[in-house]
Amino acid sequence: DAMVIQNPRYQVTQFGKPVTLSCSQTLNHNVMYWYQQKSSQAPKLLFHYYDKDFNNEADTPDNFQSRRPNTSFCFLDIRSPGLGDAAMYLCATSSRGQGRRQFFGPGTRLTVL
Amino acid sequence: DQQVKQNSPSLSVQEGRISILNCDYTNSMFDYFLWYKKYPAEGPTFLISISSIKDKNEDGRFTVFLNKSAKHLSLHIVPSQPGDSAVYFCAASAWGSSNTGKLIFGQGTTLQVKP
Repeated sequence: DAMVIQNPRYQVTQFGKPVTLSCSQTLNHNVMYWYQQKSSQAPKLLFHYYDKDFNNEADTPDNFQSRRPNTSFCFLDIRSPGLGDAAMYLCATSSRGQGRRQFFGPGTRLTVL
Repeated sequence: DQQVKQNSPSLSVQEGRISILNCDYTNSMFDYFLWYKKYPAEGPTFLISISSIKDKNEDGRFTVFLNKSAKHLSLHIVPSQPGDSAVYFCAASAWGSSNTGKLIFGQGTTLQVKP
């Protein structure tokens, strides 16, 4: 089945230790998104790629970076995680053919110790 | 500034009755609205959507109503089933120059359907 896959599902890191979260998709969608969701809050868009074009949200901290080496993969890098970065990180994809519907992965739960 | 609000954190209904989940928005540029359902340990899954040119869209047990003048939409589930118990997110989109259909989400409403 075509899907959005996120690895790992659970990630524990130490304060200040860089961490990378991974997202892959078999949908061949040209747009990929990264959201941060803290407990009982709305998912918040961090950035997205439209093909190879990177689009950062104005309020996304510089601590968060992203890479998209090809259509299928997208990475979220947190350079120096703080306690406030503990959250669920959701990856999503979309394409023109799907209108504005986005397809989500299961998420990665990040814990910062 | 929260552009999409779901003011009820939780809702509990009896199996077979109607569930009504509400969502308010502030940005008049939003022209497309979606509802997502999320089970624990899973990502949100698309449920139903509506364009601003319509005031109602129906798909089986699920109906979304849009009141543009009030900037309000609601999701009706009839009849509610225990398997509908999940967190429901409202999302809105404005088709901007980037044409990427960015979604703005509400905080979610946890629906519990009791057998």
